Amino acid sequence: ELKVEQNPLFLSMQEEKNYTIYCNYSTTSDRLYWYRQDPGKSLESLFVLLSNGAVKQEGRLMASLDTKARLSTLHITAAVHDLSATYFCAVDLSNKLTFGGGTRVLVKP
Amino acid sequence: GAVVSQHPSWVICKSGTSVKIECRSLDFQATTMFWYRQFPKQSLMLMATSNEGSKATYEQGVEKDKFLINHASLTLSTLTVTSAHPEDSSFYICSATTPYSRSGNNEQFFGPGTRLTVL
Repeated sequence: ELKVEQNPLFLSMQEEKNYTIYCNYSTTSDRLYWYRQDPGKSLESLFVLLSNGAVKQEGRLMASLDTKARLSTLHITAAVHDLSATYFCAVDLSNKLTFGGGTRVLVKP
Repeated sequence: GAVVSQHPSWVICKSGTSVKIECRSLDFQATTMFWYRQFPKQSLMLMATSNEGSKATYEQGVEKDKFLINHASLTLSTLTVTSAHPEDSSFYICSATTPYSRSGNNEQFFGPGTRLTVL
């Protein structure tokens, strides 16, 4: 059974500082997704990581995938208030997604 | 492109009644649709996978007689919560896949969700 663990579960950030969210998973997969969810809303796709060593960046967010370590990271650079949300990673195994527990991010001035 | 809609966006019903939730892919034909449930402050849990014209595949622990899924066409799947009870109150999210997404890897596109409250 695939297990996906995110940490931390909650992250209180100061503006302009850098932070990293970690996503570990238990079974070999080479497809991993990162999503953002705002309160009361559905998921917004952030990144699709399809191979070992994949790195993608969009604005202040950067995601990477190490399939050998079964680890993905979501790095936030110079946090701003707009990034406050819950972030989920999800691992694709046989076209089914298993989600991590989510990391609730709160960026304080 | 790749827009998925859900209807209704929220619904309140009495205990014992049934509620139907629709999931539509608006600008593409979805080979597969998925139904997820999310309780407050928790992650998404896959309930079932449905393919057009065939029976849905339910995840372990999900009652198929309680959560009826019909996938009548390549653009529409419905989830009916039968004899709903307060513990069924949750946020239900569907997703749809197409092999023709930009990633070309059956990426799932998520609907906006339906909040169900059972009194």
